[in-house]
Amino acid sequence: EAQVTQNPRYLITVTGKKLTVTCSQNMNHEYMSWYRQDPGLGLRQIYYSMNVEVTDKGDVPEGYKVSRKEKRNFPLILESPSPNQTSLYFCASSWNSGQETQYFGPGTRLLVL
Amino acid sequence: GEDVEQSLFLSVREGDSSVINCTYTDSSSTYLYWYKQEPGAGLQLLTYIFSNMDMKQDQRLTVLLNKKDKHLSLRIADTQTGDSAIYFCGLTGGGNKLTFGTGTQLKVEL
Repeated sequence: EAQVTQNPRYLITVTGKKLTVTCSQNMNHEYMSWYRQDPGLGLRQIYYSMNVEVTDKGDVPEGYKVSRKEKRNFPLILESPSPNQTSLYFCASSWNSGQETQYFGPGTRLLVL
Repeated sequence: GEDVEQSLFLSVREGDSSVINCTYTDSSSTYLYWYKQEPGAGLQLLTYIFSNMDMKQDQRLTVLLNKKDKHLSLRIADTQTGDSAIYFCGLTGGGNKLTFGTGTQLKVEL
């Protein structure tokens, strides 16, 4: 089954404790992206990747890092999480650009205390 | 950057038509999408329209694009309780970025 998976689905952590949210797709998509969803703000793009070893900032990259060592995986790293990073995070992928239909993962709900 | 706006809430009665609106600022948008998000789930693509089209119909869904006014709408005919969800419009402009609106919460009442 073609899908985008994220782990964990739910996470409660404390300020400053490094965490990683994994994202994996099995569709051989070149383009992958991370969004955060906040009430009244919709979805905002954090980082995106056009292909292996090619990443770029989205609209709200501060406080986040990403890596793309393999085509299928695009982890989101919070080196020192803060309460304002409490949010719902979505990973998405598409064939070869952000202009094509994006397939979304189920979301990761993060609470930073 | 692109600004995309939607009204936050819409309430309709079951069986009526729903119209969800979206306005945007970047006239170079190539693809314009409508996504649906059900409670606790990710976004699911409903339909999309190319910027060189004015209208697209897909079963109960009708998308209208007014490029002059930079206005996109989604009409759902015969709205059902299962249509209750948050609806996001999304636009791709220059570069490789998909920008979303704030989302419209559609509530379908019996």
